Amino acid sequence: QVQLQESGPGLVKPSETLSLTCTVSGYSISSGYYWGWIRQPPGKGLEWIGTIYHSGSTYYNPSLKSRVTISVDTSKNQFSLKLSSVTAADTAVYYCARATVGAPYSDYWGQGSLVTVSS
Amino acid sequence: EIVMTQSPATLSVSPGQRATLSCRASQSVSSNLAWYQQKPGQAPRLLIYGASARATGIPARFSGSGSGTEFTLTISSLQSEDFAVYYCQQYNNWPLTFGGGTKVEIK
Repeated sequence: QVQLQESGPGLVKPSETLSLTCTVSGYSISSGYYWGWIRQPPGKGLEWIGTIYHSGSTYYNPSLKSRVTISVDTSKNQFSLKLSSVTAADTAVYYCARATVGAPYSDYWGQGSLVTVSS
Repeated sequence: EIVMTQSPATLSVSPGQRATLSCRASQSVSSNLAWYQQKPGQAPRLLIYGASARATGIPARFSGSGSGTEFTLTISSLQSEDFAVYYCQQYNNWPLTFGGGTKVEIK
């Protein structure tokens, strides 16, 4: 059973960097698949942030690309998100998810982590 | 960027009735279209991929159709657990994009 779990601070100050980690269990990241981040502001829809392959290849949303870094640590079976220079507009539930290579729909999702940007 | 537009924004349906949700892409996405269901406080759940293939464990009352720019999700007989928000997503091109969602509510 594949499971994903987000972890990280729930409160980040404006202009600082948001950091989240997704720990994967039940499947080895290095065995394949894409691993990605999606966010959802309160009461709003879903926004794709970016995706990484176990080799380190990345795809980012152009609207966030200048502020986003996604990395993978296969030894810990984790991947991470860093979003710099955050503002209140970055307040959202952040989900990590697994996606199929070549057809990147997400079949497994974490439960989500609410990150609030506030001083 | 491919823009995904879902309609209607809200759909009021009685239990046992059929629900038809639409999703339109601003350019062709072939059959590279997925549907997700999201209930309050939960992560999205994959229902359909490849425009018409049901994901593992998804009941047969959920069906998807379409290709190119026009897609439909049909719930043949709504059950109480089906009242939720539904999102379409194209994965034909990067960046991946989602529609704004359709909320299916009890009539």
